[in-house]
Amino acid sequence: GEDVEQSLFLSVREGDSSVINCTYTDSSSTYLYWYKQEPGAGLQLLTYIFSNMDMKQDQRLTVLLNKKDKHLSLRIADTQTGDSAIYFCAESLVSNTGKLIFGQGTTLQVKP
Amino acid sequence: GAVVSQHPSWVICKSGTSVKIECRSLDFQATTMFWYRQFPKQSLMLMATSNEGSKATYEQGVEKDKFLINHASLTLSTLTVTSAHPEDSSFYICSAHPVGSTDTQYFGPGTRLTVL
Repeated sequence: GEDVEQSLFLSVREGDSSVINCTYTDSSSTYLYWYKQEPGAGLQLLTYIFSNMDMKQDQRLTVLLNKKDKHLSLRIADTQTGDSAIYFCAESLVSNTGKLIFGQGTTLQVKP
Repeated sequence: GAVVSQHPSWVICKSGTSVKIECRSLDFQATTMFWYRQFPKQSLMLMATSNEGSKATYEQGVEKDKFLINHASLTLSTLTVTSAHPEDSSFYICSAHPVGSTDTQYFGPGTRLTVL
């Protein structure tokens, strides 16, 4: 079945790089997403990658996709205290329906 | 661009009353909107898919008579929690899928429902 898994917690020091990992089971994924959720707020789309791409970079964010291993990662360079939040990866399985399957979310704690 | 609003942002109600939550796409049209429920420190659980002009599609285990969804226009979907009980207390988040776009969804800020 469809399943997306993430580690639950990551703690880094300000200025370091953060790497948040995600694995998924369904090879028919079309797009894979990273969302950020701050306390009491909705989800903010950070970036997404099409399933036939290996890497996407957007300013401090780098997304790596290993389709063979069904592994997705989000690297945040020069992590700041404002990056502290919960990060969700999600996959969409069938194009144009919009239905997403979410991971459990990784809480990123950035220490000054 | 791609802003989604929800109203109200929080609501407290008595057990047995009904509560309506609105989800609006402010600067784009959305034929499809989604309603999620999120418990503390947990992921989002998809409740239903709302399609403009047609009946909503509910996920397994979600009572359609309990959670009424109406998607009357390309920019508005409403979720009504009928005869609310304390176990319905949760964070409800909607998202909207722009017409003609990729699979990207844009999320609202969420509505915190507390049923006393």
